Amino acid sequence: GENVEQHPSTLSVQEGDSAVIKCTYSDSASNYFPWYKQELGKRPQLIIDIRSNVGEKKDQRIAVTLNKTAKHFSLHITETQPEDSAVYFCAASKNSGGYQKVTFGTGTKLQVIP
Amino acid sequence: NAGVTQTPKFQVLKTGQSMTLQCAQDMNHNSMYWYRQDPGMGLRLIYYSASEGTTDKGEVPNGYNVSRLNKREFSLRLESAAPSQTSVYFCASSEGGSTEAFFGQGTRLTVV
Repeated sequence: GENVEQHPSTLSVQEGDSAVIKCTYSDSASNYFPWYKQELGKRPQLIIDIRSNVGEKKDQRIAVTLNKTAKHFSLHITETQPEDSAVYFCAASKNSGGYQKVTFGTGTKLQVIP
Repeated sequence: NAGVTQTPKFQVLKTGQSMTLQCAQDMNHNSMYWYRQDPGMGLRLIYYSASEGTTDKGEVPNGYNVSRLNKREFSLRLESAAPSQTSVYFCASSEGGSTEAFFGQGTRLTVV
């Protein structure tokens, strides 16, 4: 089955600096890579996603890159702000008989220090 | 439009007790999921339902059962709760295929 590894498990950055979270996956059939943000005590919510036919996607201060050959993808947050503090999960997904089989990474706790 | 609604938000059970976690979505999604979240383990899939009338085991199904009551509702049952089932449980739904999953607010379950 799919295995998704996520690093680092914790990350502290100064406000205004950039943060990078990296994930690797094992199943070459995975074709959809969402990133979720989970604030303390809240539900995970999608912040950005990328499909396997795209190498990079940007949305304001957030960008995601995908290297299909190396089977890794990364989340980049620029100009970090205290409200970016949360746990971030990457995931790899593929269609399996009409079902979206999603495997999550173990999460990165990001702390933005004012 | 409420999205995905889970009940209850908190629950304490004694070992051996049973309970059902309820989940409903109003987005007309075909697929629904139950995850558990434990520290350092991420989100692990317990059971899923690709469409109304079908359910299948995920990564960690032991000790759980599910029912896809109709397109809107997907319940998770613990028949005989164990301390190892202490966790935060999330229900989610999606259109199916490679699309965003929408999560409920979670149920914090403690088994003593």
